[in-house]
Formats: sequence, structure tokens, C-alpha cells
Amino acid sequence: SQKIEQNSEALNIQEGKTATLTCNYTNYSPAYLQWYRQDPGRGPVFLLLIRENEKEKRKERLKVTFDTTLKQSLFHITASQPADSATYLCALDIKGDYKLSFGAGTTVTVRA
Amino acid sequence: ETGVTQTPRHLVMGMTNKKSLKCEQHLGHNAMYWYKQSAKKPLELMFVYNFKEQTENNSVPSRFSPECPNSSHLFLHLHTLQPEDSALYLCASSLQTDPTNEKLFFGSGTQLSVL
Repeated sequence: SQKIEQNSEALNIQEGKTATLTCNYTNYSPAYLQWYRQDPGRGPVFLLLIRENEKEKRKERLKVTFDTTLKQSLFHITASQPADSATYLCALDIKGDYKLSFGAGTTVTVRA
Repeated sequence: ETGVTQTPRHLVMGMTNKKSLKCEQHLGHNAMYWYKQSAKKPLELMFVYNFKEQTENNSVPSRFSPECPNSSHLFLHLHTLQPEDSALYLCASSLQTDPTNEKLFFGSGTQLSVL
């Protein structure tokens, strides 16, 4: 069966450190992978998209890598700040039909 | 705000009630979606509409009835729900022009509690 797994439910880090989140998937080869941020009581907000032929993508303090051999994406938040505290979701379009499937998310808490 | 508005933000209903969730997008998108988010679980895709035509019904029970009168409005009609249907219901929209560059824009959701 198809599965999207995010490494842990929660990640607590000190301000200024780098948070690294993992998204693993099985049994398919997506053309791209996305990351979203979700704050409590709000809908997810799109952050980054990385395609299968791209190894790395950056946006300000965010960096995403995509390893299609390992079937894994890593999401890094560098120089983390308390405002980065949120749940981060990875998402895949499994069949290329515009229907995204999501992981359960990793909740990041950045301590001042 | 993301350009996708959902009402109401919170809803409490009994199992015999009938209620409706409303979603409106102001982004000029052609596709709209309903997702269900239960605690500690991944988002579950329920329905997809493209230019008012339903393109996905992900084996959703008939007590959930979607309606899409135009590309900007989406409704989810609820009747005889069960307590396990309590969840955050999220509406989203997108352009659906390039399957390798698809991004969803979500509303803030309706937090539904079924008593």
C-alpha cells in the first residue's frame, strides 16, 4: 500500500539551531514533493515544491532535498526562531492527477 | 488571508441535525477540494471539483454531500453525522494547469463537533 511517513510527531529545538524533518514514501515515484506549514486552528500554507530532477531547493532559511533513490525528502529550517514553531506537512501527488496525499506532519517547537 | 474563506469557523451539531459548510475562493482558480483532518492523522481527500464537475469522490459516506454551483463556491452538506465525523474540514483551491507545479491554497477550516 502507498504510505507517506514523517519521521516524528514532535521536534523540540533551541532557537538558532537547525531543525531537520524527514518525509519518507513507499511504493511510488512522484514527479514532485511539497512542504506545507500549518499553525493551530488554521489551514496549511504552501512553502516549497521540489521536482524529481532537483536535488535541492531553498527559500530564505528553508532548504528541501529530494532523494528519489532513497524515496526521501529532508526539510531544514536553519537559524530557527520561535516564530517557526508550527506543524510541517509533506505532500505528494501520487498519480500526477492533482490529488495531493499528505503525511501526518511533524510539530516543531523552537525554544527561545 | 489566503484568498479562500470558509464559514462557519466552528460548528457543533447533533447527530440528527442538517448543516452546511461553505467555502469561497477569490483566486480565480478552477478546482476546489474538501479535505478532512482528524487529530494526529494525515489530511484525507474527500472530494475534488474542476470547473464545477466532480472529479473525485474518495469513498466518502453519503451523509456528506458536496455541491459546487460555480468555480468560486463549494459547499459540504452534512446530515445524520456520527461522533467520529468530528474533525477539521478544510477547503482548498488550485489552478490545475500544470501537474508538476500544483499548489493548494487552503482556507482556515471549519472545526466540527458532532454530539
